[in-house]
Amino acid sequence: AQSVTQLDSQVPVFEEAPVELRCNYSSSVSVYLFWYVQYPNQGLQLLLKYLSGSTLVESINGFEAEFNKSQTSFHLRKPSVHISDTAEYFCAVILRGPGGSYIPTFGRGTSLIVHP
Amino acid sequence: DTGVSQDPRHKITKRGQNVTFRCDPISEHNRLYWYRQTLGQGPEFLTYFQNEAQLEKSRLLSDRFSAERPKGSFSTLEIQRTEQGDSAMYLCASSKKTGTSGREQETQYFGPGTRLLVL
Repeated sequence: AQSVTQLDSQVPVFEEAPVELRCNYSSSVSVYLFWYVQYPNQGLQLLLKYLSGSTLVESINGFEAEFNKSQTSFHLRKPSVHISDTAEYFCAVILRGPGGSYIPTFGRGTSLIVHP
Repeated sequence: DTGVSQDPRHKITKRGQNVTFRCDPISEHNRLYWYRQTLGQGPEFLTYFQNEAQLEKSRLLSDRFSAERPKGSFSTLEIQRTEQGDSAMYLCASSKKTGTSGREQETQYFGPGTRLLVL
């Protein structure tokens, strides 16, 4: 069975500092990878995704993630965070298995807390 | 607003009662997904539909849980004989069939969720 591990449940950081939120997954077959963000009292929003092609993907608000197949990782990074980035971040994997099985799996989430 | 909508947003019920939640996907999306999210956890996949066909339901939590999408548009999730452990946020998401790349259908857009409290 596939699994998604977000190694840090909480990441405190000061404003304008860089940040990395880690995500590892267990599957070695074809995967699609996503980061979703959940701001306080709001629903899940897609932040960025890797479906195919370039392994480095970027979002419109300065986040980026790199698909590393050999390390089965999809870490999320931002060079300089803002107070408004404070939110819960979820890594998700969709595995396309043999026989057409389809099980999206989410990590437990990482709470990014940006301090002034 | 043309996003995914869910109704009701909140539901309080007594143990043993049945509850039904509704999800309206984005209009051009033919896939619809249901998840459960408990405090401190990520969304847990329950089931999904492509049009009216339920293609994966092995992750429904028990036979008390069922979902339908009779006309391939809105969907309902029913929980029979609710238990206190069913208290959670129930999320719905949708995705479109294909773009220029068939992989585009994997991008899911989430609704605001229905928060269930079973007393």
